[in-house]
Amino acid sequence: DTAVSQTPKYLVTQMGNDKSIKCEQNLGHDTMYWYKQDSKKFLKIMFSYNNKELIINETVPNRFSPKSPDKAHLNLHINSLELGDSAVYFCASSQDVGLAGAEDEQYFGPGTRLTVT
Amino acid sequence: KNQVEQSPQSLIILEGKNCTLQCNYTVSPFSNLRWYKQDTGRGPVSLTIMTFSENTKSNGRYTATLDADTKQSSLHITASQLSDSASYICVVSAAAGGGADGLTFGKGTHLIIQP
Repeated sequence: DTAVSQTPKYLVTQMGNDKSIKCEQNLGHDTMYWYKQDSKKFLKIMFSYNNKELIINETVPNRFSPKSPDKAHLNLHINSLELGDSAVYFCASSQDVGLAGAEDEQYFGPGTRLTVT
Repeated sequence: KNQVEQSPQSLIILEGKNCTLQCNYTVSPFSNLRWYKQDTGRGPVSLTIMTFSENTKSNGRYTATLDADTKQSSLHITASQLSDSASYICVVSAAAGGGADGLTFGKGTHLIIQP
């Protein structure tokens, strides 16, 4: 009954490869997010999707592309991986966006540790 | 520029003791403030979320306070347990941006509880 799940949990790959990380939520939420947490444990938001529409896109390289086949899924595809992409990537979801209060609460997945060699 | 500053950066206390973590912010206009707990190797988990009109909110042994005038929040942990060892992240939401584009994250306080 996991609320937000990610696969894989660990991903080790070489520079230049293309990889994807999958995320699924079974909470019926309308908005999903991708975060990057660097080695200093600082969380930075990368993307969010609301009803299959990209509503924000932070200044991340265009090698990163979110893909949402449906409301319950938001996958992260990364092209031409670089050493600096090594980090933990978290997926999250929330009921809605733009509202203050409980509806705006985010639920995070367990994270995917990406190591680029 | 919206900023969230947390202190201390790290803290070590003995099991059973109380502690208080601080969060100062410059986010404007203010919508709400959240405290998250992140265990090692896990995703953040929400502890409390407070809006402008709320001064205090409790979740078990965790009590968060908010002073919107001074733009300060604190997270007080009572009778600490070994399982409280984690990073605690303060997140402030700006009213204008709403959702994720209005969120500003602190760098967290790393708390270690020693037996």
